[in-house]
Amino acid sequence: GQQVMQIPQYQHVQEGEDFTTYCNSSTTLSNIQWYKQRPGGHPVFLIQLVKSGEVKKQKRLTFQFGEAKKNSSLHITATQTTDVGTYFCAARDSGGYQKVTFGIGTKLQVIP
Amino acid sequence: DTGVSQNPRHKITKRGQNVTFRCDPISEHNRLYWYRQTLGQGPEFLTYFQNEAQLEKSRLLSDRFSAERPKGSFSTLEIQRTEQGDSAMYLCASSLGRLDTQYFGPGTRLTVL
Repeated sequence: GQQVMQIPQYQHVQEGEDFTTYCNSSTTLSNIQWYKQRPGGHPVFLIQLVKSGEVKKQKRLTFQFGEAKKNSSLHITATQTTDVGTYFCAARDSGGYQKVTFGIGTKLQVIP
Repeated sequence: DTGVSQNPRHKITKRGQNVTFRCDPISEHNRLYWYRQTLGQGPEFLTYFQNEAQLEKSRLLSDRFSAERPKGSFSTLEIQRTEQGDSAMYLCASSLGRLDTQYFGPGTRLTVL
């Protein structure tokens, strides 16, 4: 079955430093989504990437989808304490099935 | 509030008891998902409905788990003969159409003693 690997699992950064989390799949993906989960909260949708090589930006967040549609990354520039939380990628493979597989998540801690 | 709602928010039960959770999706959303999340893990897919039809069910889901969405609106997830390993957060999400942005509810935290 489809596996989605996400690294790193934990990241501590000083406020103002950049942060990147990576997501890799063993199979070609139809799309990939990114979610943020604050401590004690539920996953909140951030963005969806569909096209090969796609890059999308949301303020300080930059999302990329690999050319082969097997990997993706989320980069945060100049982290702030409000960025604290766990970032998940979630993917559906290209087989057309509806099952969404989440990565293990990257837990981000921002030190003020 | 027009978001996804789940009830109850917390459930403590004894091993061997049956429990049922409810999810009310965003009203116009025809797709509904159930996930299970344990500490330090990402949400794990359990099952998926399009309208009232249950189209996919995880192979990880034992026969003790059943889900329904009788009128294509709210859904229930029942766990029979609960075990301590069932302790987790049970999340519901809904979505609309091909864009398939999933909106999650607050979850039901189950503790099996």
